[in-house]
Amino acid sequence: DSGVTQTPKHLITATGQRVTLRCSPRSGDLSVYWYQQSLDQGLQFLIQYYNGEERAKGNILERFSAQQFPDLHSELNLSSLELGDSALYFCASSADRVGEKLFFGSGTQLSVL
Amino acid sequence: AQSVAQPEDQVNVAEGNPLTVKCTYSVSGNPYLFWYVQYPNRGLQFLLKYITGDNLVKGSYGFEAEFNKSQTSFHLKKPSALVSDSALYFCAVRDDNYGQNFVFGPGTRLSVLP
Repeated sequence: DSGVTQTPKHLITATGQRVTLRCSPRSGDLSVYWYQQSLDQGLQFLIQYYNGEERAKGNILERFSAQQFPDLHSELNLSSLELGDSALYFCASSADRVGEKLFFGSGTQLSVL
Repeated sequence: AQSVAQPEDQVNVAEGNPLTVKCTYSVSGNPYLFWYVQYPNRGLQFLLKYITGDNLVKGSYGFEAEFNKSQTSFHLKKPSALVSDSALYFCAVRDDNYGQNFVFGPGTRLSVLP
């Protein structure tokens, strides 16, 4: 068990809908990262937050947004969903800004029908 | 921009034999290199990292990796493979010129045959 909790584990929704994925980092970790894993794109970095502030941005679509709350949990919001958004979304945390060692959650499997 | 290549989609090895999973990288600054493993229906788990120092890095579960700056490679190795090592292996790089944006390779599926 990595100590990173992601909910829900599975999410099935329809095109055009909006969903929220939740991540609780390991106790004491200040950094949260979001990744998207799909068969055709591999593991893609979306965004990183450190202690509530956006730290780095990757290939995140404008339809997607994230935030990190004062209690350090994070949410990834996906809107106007398309079939191609179906993927496994991972959250990872690390103790510091540098992120020399990431701890991954088990992921949220999103299926857009 | 930083990038990672794992030239083999699949590596098959017999149990007890040595294994190598290959990784090459491209960065503009100093590379921070990592290996992660993913078991079915699980998140990625950290195996080892190279930041600086000795080119041979030892990690979890008997794995090690060798950093080769001239060849821009960071191959993962294990002297004697176990069936339980069968999993998806990811090489990752973080360029210290680009903040904390990890880039992961496409992954290599390792199958250890009994």
